[in-house]
Order: sequence, then C-alpha cells, then structure tokens
Amino acid sequence: DSGVTQTPKHLITATGQRVTLRCSPRSGDLSVYWYQQSLDQGLQFLIQYYNGEERAKGNILERFSAQQFPDLHSELNLSSLELGDSALYFCASSVEGALNYGYTFGSGTRLTVV
Amino acid sequence: AQKVTQAQTEISVVEKEDVTLDCVYETRDTTYYLFWYKQPPSGELVFLIRRNSFDEQNEISGRYSWNFQKSTSSFNFTITASQVVDSAVYFCALRARGSQGNLIFGKGTKLSVKP
Repeated sequence: DSGVTQTPKHLITATGQRVTLRCSPRSGDLSVYWYQQSLDQGLQFLIQYYNGEERAKGNILERFSAQQFPDLHSELNLSSLELGDSALYFCASSVEGALNYGYTFGSGTRLTVV
Repeated sequence: AQKVTQAQTEISVVEKEDVTLDCVYETRDTTYYLFWYKQPPSGELVFLIRRNSFDEQNEISGRYSWNFQKSTSSFNFTITASQVVDSAVYFCALRARGSQGNLIFGKGTKLSVKP
C-alpha cells in the first residue's frame, strides 16, 4: 500500500457521460498530480494541485477538470466522455512541489468508455 | 524541451540473464531528477529509484543497478540474474524546472522474463 488511495479502481461508462475519480494523498503530502496512461499517448501529466490551489496544467482537455479540497483529497472530473478517454488514470502525491521530492503513485483508476 | 527516450520497446530474456534498459533524456536545466518506475501486470506504478543531476555515482540495490552518465545524458537500468517476477513495463522519467516540476515519462520498455 503506497498510501495514496484512488477510487474507484475500475469504472465502465457510456459515451457522453460524466464521471468523477477520487484521490486521497499520502498523509502529509500537499501536492496532488493527475496522470493519464493510454496506449497511444503513454503516461501524460494532466494537472497538479498544491494545498488547494492549481499549480500546473499539462495536456488536460477542456472537458476535464479537477479540484483539491481543504482536506487535501482531489477529484478529477471527466465529462462528455469519448471512447478515446478510456485509459488508466493515476494520482500521485508529494510533500510539496519542490523538485527534490519524490512522488508516490496510487494504484490507478481504469476507465473504460463504451 | 524536456524529453525522455526509451528506445527499447520490448525486451525478452530467459531467466538468470542480465538485462539493461536504456534511458536517454533531454533537458536544458542544470538541476533535475531522474526516476525509474516499474509497472507490473497488475497496473500500479512502483517507484524504484530517484537520482539528482549532481550525483553521478552508480547505485546498486540487490539485483538492480543504475548507471547515470551526464556526458551522454543517459540513466540506464540493469537487472542482474533476471527473474520471472521482473516481468513488467519499466518507465524512466525526468523531473526538471522546465517541465514545471512534473514528471516527463518515457514510453516504457516491456520486459518479459521467461523461465
């Protein structure tokens, strides 16, 4: 157990629907990162939050949004889902955003859009 | 631009063979960190090592060893006496200021160790 909890582990939904992925960071970690792993794009950074504030944005679609709550858990919202959104979504956390801190990854949420 | 290249898409070896996974990175930053992660068939990402740009000492951990060479921008990973349980996808990643501090992953190398 890495200490980063992601729920649900698996999600199957239809095109056009909206889903929410949840991440609880490791105790004491203030930064949360979301990554998408797909067969064609590999592992790509989506977005980072630090202590409730958005810190950095990567290749995140406009149909996707995220937030980090006061208790530091984070949610990734995916809307108007398309088949191509099927992927493994990882959350990672770190103590802060500084370079010298490592990441701890959760076990991922596997999203299948049908 | 920040970039990580893992030229080997798939490698297949027989148990007890040694295998080296290559990683070449690009960054203009002088301070950066390099990582290796393992992704077994179960899907989770398992942290293996972090190395900063100022420490070029090679590292050994059991059957695993890492060779960091700034002169060739490489951070290669060797598994000695491979085992079936080593079968996984291995990712090399870079974290630098130019990447907004986020991990830039290579495409991964799928290692299959056959008995």
